[in-house]
Amino acid sequence: DAKTTQPPSMDCAEGRAANLPCNHSTISGNEYVYWYRQIHSQGPQYIIHGLKNNETNEMASLIITEDRKSSTLILPHATLRDTAVYYCIVRSLGGSYIPTFGRGTSLIVHP
Amino acid sequence: DAGVTQSPTHLIKTRGQQVTLRCSPKSGHDTVSWYQQALGQGPQFIFQYYEEEERQRGNFPDRFSGHQFPNYSSELNVNALLLGDSALYLCASSPGPWGSPLHFGNGTRLTVT
Repeated sequence: DAKTTQPPSMDCAEGRAANLPCNHSTISGNEYVYWYRQIHSQGPQYIIHGLKNNETNEMASLIITEDRKSSTLILPHATLRDTAVYYCIVRSLGGSYIPTFGRGTSLIVHP
Repeated sequence: DAGVTQSPTHLIKTRGQQVTLRCSPKSGHDTVSWYQQALGQGPQFIFQYYEEEERQRGNFPDRFSGHQFPNYSSELNVNALLLGDSALYLCASSPGPWGSPLHFGNGTRLTVT
């Protein structure tokens, strides 16, 4: 499975958009990009995933570049409750798969 | 609809002891994976259970073992505890071994003294 690179930390003002980047330059054609977040003292929570098209749900939007080598998770109106560690992972569906979480990006949303 | 539940939430053990952690998957899920998360690190995959068998395993010694029951619940056992085993142990469930997304419990915080 392809590895990912994320900045270790970011900050954002409450009410503004938070844009979290992820580099996955070695992604293969059948690998999806998944985003999870982990709020302090809780388990990771699924946010969104995509293959090559941009995706949006009630939590966030996922923008994947045309070459699929990077993506951006967008929280359109960040709140204090969005303060968490955000993990970007890539995985294929089917076959042998060992999911790999890096250290993620620690997002701090400030008032 | 209950999500993934883990017990206990916290545990303190002494070096050399053995520990058993428990996990009940989300309703409708039949696959359970276990992860170890050290402080400041991302979760590290330990192993996955499906149809009561270990299907995949990460880079962990055989002191780490598991079991899955017919009701899909699972246990993680760690023998001969080391100080380095202190971590948050997370359980994740999915609908099938390749199902997505993973649903995580809130973990068991294990402290080895």
